[in-house]
Amino acid sequence: DAGVTQSPTHLIKTRGQHVTLRCSPISGHKSVSWYQQVLGQGPQFIFQYYEKEERGRGNFPDRFSARQFPNYSSELNVNALLLGDSALYLCASSPLRGIAHEQYFGPGTRLTVT
Amino acid sequence: AQTVTQSQPEMSVQEAETVTLSCTYDTSESDYYLFWYKQPPSRQMILVIRQEAYKQQNATENRFSVNFQKAAKSFSLKISDSQLGDAAMYFCAYRSLNYGGSQGNLIFGKGTKLSVKP
Repeated sequence: DAGVTQSPTHLIKTRGQHVTLRCSPISGHKSVSWYQQVLGQGPQFIFQYYEKEERGRGNFPDRFSARQFPNYSSELNVNALLLGDSALYLCASSPLRGIAHEQYFGPGTRLTVT
Repeated sequence: AQTVTQSQPEMSVQEAETVTLSCTYDTSESDYYLFWYKQPPSRQMILVIRQEAYKQQNATENRFSVNFQKAAKSFSLKISDSQLGDAAMYFCAYRSLNYGGSQGNLIFGKGTKLSVKP
């Protein structure tokens, strides 16, 4: 079975631009979470979506938004990019929202803002 | 708010030897999950081992085991018979049992970079 996939792999954007990152969960998984991993740090939680509804949000500005589609894939959008948004963006899926269900991570999208 | 601290930015071990990575956490909750994740240069975050806080028995997965000290809020990872493929960043993570807000998702430490010498 295919794991969590993310696109693109790498992305270079200029300050002030907008970016859209995409994630396809493991087949049958209904929950998708997004994390930001700045170089040298652990991942930080941004959003969780379950059954197409936002179920959790971390401490990120409103420039960050996301959505989940009927096929459970997800997009993370970031507006008005700042240099500090440069990071690895990780997507994780799990079959259900419950605590006992593992999160399976994708390979990430490396975003560089210049 | 919960926090996770990994005090060892880097560790090194000789192949076939044993190494222990440290993790402490802070929480007021009594039930939660703790995890160790491995992130090799390929960037894929891989689950190594999981511990439920209500279980006193330490979790083990082949060469990986944990020393879970709930009262001390300590959760160390022991890697036995280290292999070259174990070289990676290792992250300790906490997960609340609460579903609301940002709870229920993972809170990570800053990581420990493990090098394995042949």
